[in-house]
Amino acid sequence: DAGVTQSPTHLIKTRGQQVTLRCSPKSGHDTVSWYQQALGQGPQFIFQYYEEEERQRGNFPDRFSGHQFPNYSSELNVNALLLGDSALYLCASSLRGPSNQPQHFGDGTRLSIL
Amino acid sequence: GQNIDQPTEMTATEGAIVQINCTYQTSGFNGLFWYQQHAGEAPTFLSYNVLDGLEEKGRFSSFLSRSKGYSYLLLKELQMKDSASYLCAVRASPGNYQLIWGAGTKLIIKP
Repeated sequence: DAGVTQSPTHLIKTRGQQVTLRCSPKSGHDTVSWYQQALGQGPQFIFQYYEEEERQRGNFPDRFSGHQFPNYSSELNVNALLLGDSALYLCASSLRGPSNQPQHFGDGTRLSIL
Repeated sequence: GQNIDQPTEMTATEGAIVQINCTYQTSGFNGLFWYQQHAGEAPTFLSYNVLDGLEEKGRFSSFLSRSKGYSYLLLKELQMKDSASYLCAVRASPGNYQLIWGAGTKLIIKP
């Protein structure tokens, strides 16, 4: 049973560039959430996708956008990269239902902006 | 505003017991999660509390007091592999699947 998979593992970009990160949810899960985690901090919620729509969004600018595909996989796009966007980007999947459903995380993509 | 507080770092001895506290101030409450995160790895789910009281799961237990906005994670018979960060996260309301996270407590286990 495959868990949550993310690609790429590491990425180096320069300011102003654009990046796309990818996530495949755990088998049987239909909801994908994206988080940004700075070093030594807890994850910060970016947004959540369900049924190919953005259902909820955290306090992130419009430079951060996403997409969910019919197979439940998801992409996170970040435009006009800033130095402050350097972080670990985590994807978490869950099954939409009772609120005690835990989110299962992928190993993340480490994004470095030069 | 929404706020979750945890100690930044704790140290304990192998074989001992440690309690990691979490206090929260959120607009609502619909459950609290504890996750473990080893350096460079993904967070992994440990426990969930929504009602007051203690939930026990092997060497790990988690307690919740909603009236006090307080939870703790209790780790018994500590092992070196328990060295990790422990993250507390709150779901603020039903139907709101966003989790509000604390900054995590780095637990260091010494022989």
